[in-house]
Amino acid sequence: QQQVKQSPQSLIVQKGGISIINCAYENTAFDYFPWYQQFPGKGPALLIAIRPDVSEKKEGRFTISFNKSAKQFSLHIMDSQPGDSATYFCAAPYSPDSAGNKLTFGGGTRVLVKP
Amino acid sequence: DTAVSQTPKYLVTQMGNDKSIKCEQNLGHDTMYWYKQDSKKFLKIMFSYNNKELIINETVPNRFSPKSPDKAHLNLHINSLELGDSAVYFCASSPTTGAAQHFGDGTRLSIL
Repeated sequence: QQQVKQSPQSLIVQKGGISIINCAYENTAFDYFPWYQQFPGKGPALLIAIRPDVSEKKEGRFTISFNKSAKQFSLHIMDSQPGDSATYFCAAPYSPDSAGNKLTFGGGTRVLVKP
Repeated sequence: DTAVSQTPKYLVTQMGNDKSIKCEQNLGHDTMYWYKQDSKKFLKIMFSYNNKELIINETVPNRFSPKSPDKAHLNLHINSLELGDSAVYFCASSPTTGAAQHFGDGTRLSIL
């Protein structure tokens, strides 16, 4: 059973600052590591994802860094904005077979960006 | 044009009752899921169906029974509701071989 440990549980950052969230996983038979963003009253939405054949992926102000040997991946939010205030989840898939993907989620990080 | 829609959005009921939550996706995905999010925001998968066939069944009390009449619908029926069932339940869908899951906005279940 895959476990994904996410830290910190909460984060307060000033507008324009950098938010950093870290995740560590256990098993290595995965090829996809997504990050989800959840606003209050809404479902999680896919924010950005990385495959382990690259060490970094950037989409706008969001960057994923991946360290395969350490079994860790992190999300960096550059130039954080109040609209980024949300709960962020990392996840790792665990597919017992080829049909569908079971995602194991980290515990979530509540990010608050102060204006 | 909602991709994954769940009904109802809120469900308040008494202990011991039976209730259902419906989910529909218009993305053409083959796989659908039910997740439970507790008060601490922890997300845990409950079930997954691929083309109407159950493929993931986590350790969930058998009071919970999913039903998929077709690949665009996955409903969740809960019998004999208990206080501990209070949570937000999310439906999601994905392509069969794709890991990107699309979530609905959740159903907040409150047991009195």
